[in-house]
Amino acid sequence: KNQVEQSPQSLIILEGKNCTLQCNYTVSPFSNLRWYKQDTGRGPVSLTIMTFSENTKSNGRYTATLDADTKQSSLHITASQLSDSASYICVVIPTSGTYKYIFGTGTRLKVLA
Amino acid sequence: NAGVTQTPKFRILKIGQSMTLQCTQDMNHNYMYWYRQDPGMGLKLIYYSVGAGITDKGEVPNGYNVSRSTTEDFPLRLELAAPSQTSVYFCASTEGPSYNSPLHFGNGTRLTVT
Repeated sequence: KNQVEQSPQSLIILEGKNCTLQCNYTVSPFSNLRWYKQDTGRGPVSLTIMTFSENTKSNGRYTATLDADTKQSSLHITASQLSDSASYICVVIPTSGTYKYIFGTGTRLKVLA
Repeated sequence: NAGVTQTPKFRILKIGQSMTLQCTQDMNHNYMYWYRQDPGMGLKLIYYSVGAGITDKGEVPNGYNVSRSTTEDFPLRLELAAPSQTSVYFCASTEGPSYNSPLHFGNGTRLTVT
């Protein structure tokens, strides 16, 4: 069964610190893997998109990595800010059934001053 | 560009009532989706559409209906509301399911059925 699992479920860090969020998936084969940020009360917003052949993709202080061999991805946030407080969702798009995006349950990040 | 607009933002329904959740996008996207998001769960696909006049079921279509008469609009209809339909509903659109096309989401409709 195609699944996307994220860890930790929730995380609290101090402003200015770095953190790494994990995504493990069983989707195979897959077309691309995405990370989204979802602020409370808002819809998710795209952060990064990587194909299966890419190892890393950056968007400002956000850096996503992908290891297709171990079926793992991570999202690293550098020098966190209060505005980084949100849920971060990993999404995998299978090669077949390309309309069926598979969403992880998300990691809820809280950044404290 | 307004992007994807959903209305209403909040709604409380009694069991058995019906309602339509509105979704419109101004990006001329062919692909549109309806998801529901329950606490602690990933987004689940209800229905999707690959163009005007074409719709298909997702993972959890029971109790819902959709139509796509124009490229811009993709309303979701609940005919007989049930408590199990209490959720946050998100509409999304994209140019296509390709590498360079992110999903654009609306800000959701929070529905409570009592």
